[in-house]
Amino acid sequence: DGGITQSPKYLFRKEGQNVTLSCEQNLNHDAMYWYRQDPGQGLRLIYYSQIVNDFQKGDIAEGYSVSREKKESFPLTVTSAQKNPTAFYLCASTMSGNSYSGANVLTFGAGSRLTVL
Amino acid sequence: AQSVTQLGSHVSVSEGALVLLRCNYSSSVPPYLFWYVQYPNQGLQLLLKYTTGATLVKGINGFEAEFKKSETSFHLTKPSAHMSDAAEYFCAVKGNQGGKLIFGQGTELSVKP
Repeated sequence: DGGITQSPKYLFRKEGQNVTLSCEQNLNHDAMYWYRQDPGQGLRLIYYSQIVNDFQKGDIAEGYSVSREKKESFPLTVTSAQKNPTAFYLCASTMSGNSYSGANVLTFGAGSRLTVL
Repeated sequence: AQSVTQLGSHVSVSEGALVLLRCNYSSSVPPYLFWYVQYPNQGLQLLLKYTTGATLVKGINGFEAEFKKSETSFHLTKPSAHMSDAAEYFCAVKGNQGGKLIFGQGTELSVKP
């Protein structure tokens, strides 16, 4: 079955450590996204990528980094510079990131919950 | 710029009662509008979407939503709540570049037996 796989499901980190969250999709989607979810704040966009080897900052990119070396993969690194990294992180993808390609429906992974100890 | 406001962070209904979750949007261009549902510790699933055409949109699990341009609203309804409807619901409007969606803050629906 096609879908998005996020790993790990749960992750604990000590302050000062970088961690990388994995996101893999087999949907042949061009565009991939990372969102952060905090209670009562909805979803906020961290980074997105419309094509391989290209990505753009979202609304809350500070303290995060990404790469897009393969179409299927869009890992997110939460660096020690992120002041409040404890959150639920969601990866998503769409067929195309083109704003004129119609109503892009996001397909989401199951999420990764990061807790900083 | 687009924005979405969901009225009420928590809504509680009795099983069998009408579900009404409110969403108002702001958009400088004709919007695409979406409702997603999220069960605990899971990702989001699409319930329904409005693009163009018929303003009453039917989705999965008996939900529907009506696009009212004059009221800039896209409220989600279901005639009869079921216990399995308990979840968090997000309204979203499509942004004007890169296919990004702008999400509301979410409404948590509780269903009482």
